[in-house]
Amino acid sequence: EIVMTQSPATLSVSPGERATLSCRASQSITSNLAWYQQKSGQAPRLLIYGASTRATGIPARFSGSGSATEFTLTISSLQSEDFAVYYCQQYNKWPLTFGGGTKVEIK
Amino acid sequence: QVQLVQSGAELKKPGSSVKVSCKASGGTFSPYSISWVRQAPGQGLEWMGRIIPILDIADYAQKFQGRLTITEDKSTSTAYMELSSLRSDDTAVYYCAKGDWLAPWGQGTLVTVSS
Repeated sequence: EIVMTQSPATLSVSPGERATLSCRASQSITSNLAWYQQKSGQAPRLLIYGASTRATGIPARFSGSGSATEFTLTISSLQSEDFAVYYCQQYNKWPLTFGGGTKVEIK
Repeated sequence: QVQLVQSGAELKKPGSSVKVSCKASGGTFSPYSISWVRQAPGQGLEWMGRIIPILDIADYAQKFQGRLTITEDKSTSTAYMELSSLRSDDTAVYYCAKGDWLAPWGQGTLVTVSS
């Protein structure tokens, strides 16, 4: 199965600053990558699919980039509601696999 | 826009089985797959398996082979996840979600396995 590795595990950021989250795949997944946001006690919410396409209703401050094995989620100016855990997930090959998550916390 | 509504929390004994439902409200699953993903307390997301309703095909993560059965009832647009031989480490929130990139998600069902 394809192993997804996220870094860092925790990211401390001040409100208004930029956050950059990384996700690496153990083999090429072309652009078949999604990003999710999960807040405490809630189900995950799709942010990005196709590595760079924002899902419906997702603010423009969220952007995704990358292809093959290296991917990035950027939050351009962190808002209070953005502090959460973020997961990447590949859907290039089954089984679907997730990264271990990056927790974005208030600095 | 379809929403996924899951059944309520369950408390189960070790060795028993649990069956969780996921109903599509405001639409149907077709032609998309429905996956089941679980999250143990304080842990990350783990994909368990999926069903493709238009093909009546289910496949499962190797870890759950032999213990997991995913089915669906097209007449009610409801998918089911049944996990047998429950152990304490199966305690988790179980989610259903639609498609390859998973959206939407159900609200989650807490399954607690305890004697």
